[in-house]
Amino acid sequence: SALTQPASVSGSPGQSITISCSGTSSVDGSYKLVSWYQQHSGKAPKLMISEGSRRSSGVSDRFSGSSSGDTASLTISGLQAEDEAEYFCCSYMDVSTLVFGGGTKVTVL
Amino acid sequence: QVQLQESGPGLVKPSETLSLNCTVSGGSFSGDSHYWSWVRQSAGKGLEWIGRVYASGITSYHPSLRGRVTISLDSSRTHFSLRLTSVTAADTAIYFCTRSTFVHAIDVWGPGNAVTVSS
Repeated sequence: SALTQPASVSGSPGQSITISCSGTSSVDGSYKLVSWYQQHSGKAPKLMISEGSRRSSGVSDRFSGSSSGDTASLTISGLQAEDEAEYFCCSYMDVSTLVFGGGTKVTVL
Repeated sequence: QVQLQESGPGLVKPSETLSLNCTVSGGSFSGDSHYWSWVRQSAGKGLEWIGRVYASGITSYHPSLRGRVTISLDSSRTHFSLRLTSVTAADTAIYFCTRSTFVHAIDVWGPGNAVTVSS
């Protein structure tokens, strides 16, 4: 993948974890067109964050997105059992394509 | 609320053409505030964007699939389709039809259509 994510991240209930996504591009320098998706096993992905930090409707405020330089990040605060899933970042590249990261499996210990 | 549903074969022979349809309900294709894409996911692997079509009919494809892939809107404007030629085992995947916003966030996903390429 053109976007690099850690293969796995784990945390105990109540803790905070952060998933990184490096290799994101910037269209105009003011924000990055990065989105984050949550996928539970056997289900379609669900949009969690768009435009780097905008939470999708109905998504818990425990989920937050940020970016710095060439890396976007998704932070899950107050980790809960239901957060156990795979998370993918996605960025719009200058060649008019969308590219996904390889995915990060989140385990709640 | 827009909903998407894929339909098509679950098994395709190598070298043949894979064709999938996506039915759009609860919304329409009009306007440029959204576009319509196909995304696939191989077993145990990540997501791969295949390409998009706007309501105007303008398309864009992933460079690795360009030349084999066609995405088009139906004239009835109730569904869009994917056509992938000369398939190989590497094209075995779950295929999702999706809707994206103008900031390239995929806000609606179909449940997925599993396709196996095998003789």
